Amino acid sequence: DAGVIQSPRHEVTEMGQEVTLRCKPISGHDYLFWYRQTMMRGLELLIYFNNNVPIDDSGMPEDRFSAKMPNASFSTLKIQPSEPRDSAVYFCASSLASVTSGKRNTIYFGEGSWLTVV
Amino acid sequence: GQQVMQIPQYQHVQEGEDFTTYCNSSTTLSNIQWYKQRPGGHPVFLIQLVKSGEVKKQKRLTFQFGEAKKNSSLHITATQTTDVGTYFCAGPRKSGAGSYQLTFGKGTKLSVIP
Repeated sequence: DAGVIQSPRHEVTEMGQEVTLRCKPISGHDYLFWYRQTMMRGLELLIYFNNNVPIDDSGMPEDRFSAKMPNASFSTLKIQPSEPRDSAVYFCASSLASVTSGKRNTIYFGEGSWLTVV
Repeated sequence: GQQVMQIPQYQHVQEGEDFTTYCNSSTTLSNIQWYKQRPGGHPVFLIQLVKSGEVKKQKRLTFQFGEAKKNSSLHITATQTTDVGTYFCAGPRKSGAGSYQLTFGKGTKLSVIP
């Protein structure tokens, strides 16, 4: 079975440019997560969706960041305008169930999008 | 900031030595998960613990969940070079928006010297 698919794998962009990261979750998974990983802050949850509806975006750093999930098989994370401090690895992940369910709530991560803003 | 504390941050061991990483939460967790991330890779699920005092083993890896469900540990016996990577614990915590989300510790980066 295909896992979580992310694109692009690597992106280098200039400050001020718009960046769009894409994700296809595992089919049948109701939850989709966007995480950001940096050396300083570790793995941070930015936003997550349940059945395509954004549930919690309290981790989104500022208005420059936005995320959408137009259907069950596709999500985007957009940064506009990008800044050097946005450089990080962005992971999309999905799971079958809620994190509190105790069962089948394993989170499956994509391979990540490595973003460098210069 | 992080609400699931993990120590140590780094650990260098000689191949064949044992390794342990610890995870602590200020509040009771309904469950705790462990993930491994190889260098340049993505976090991969290892195990989930749900019951108080639970102990689970995967070959040379032993996972424990504390009696109070506030702490957990991962112990690797006789490390091998294939064990290299960062080990994360993660537990459900209530976010500022009121929903539960999986909060990751900062991880323990394990280096194994051949």
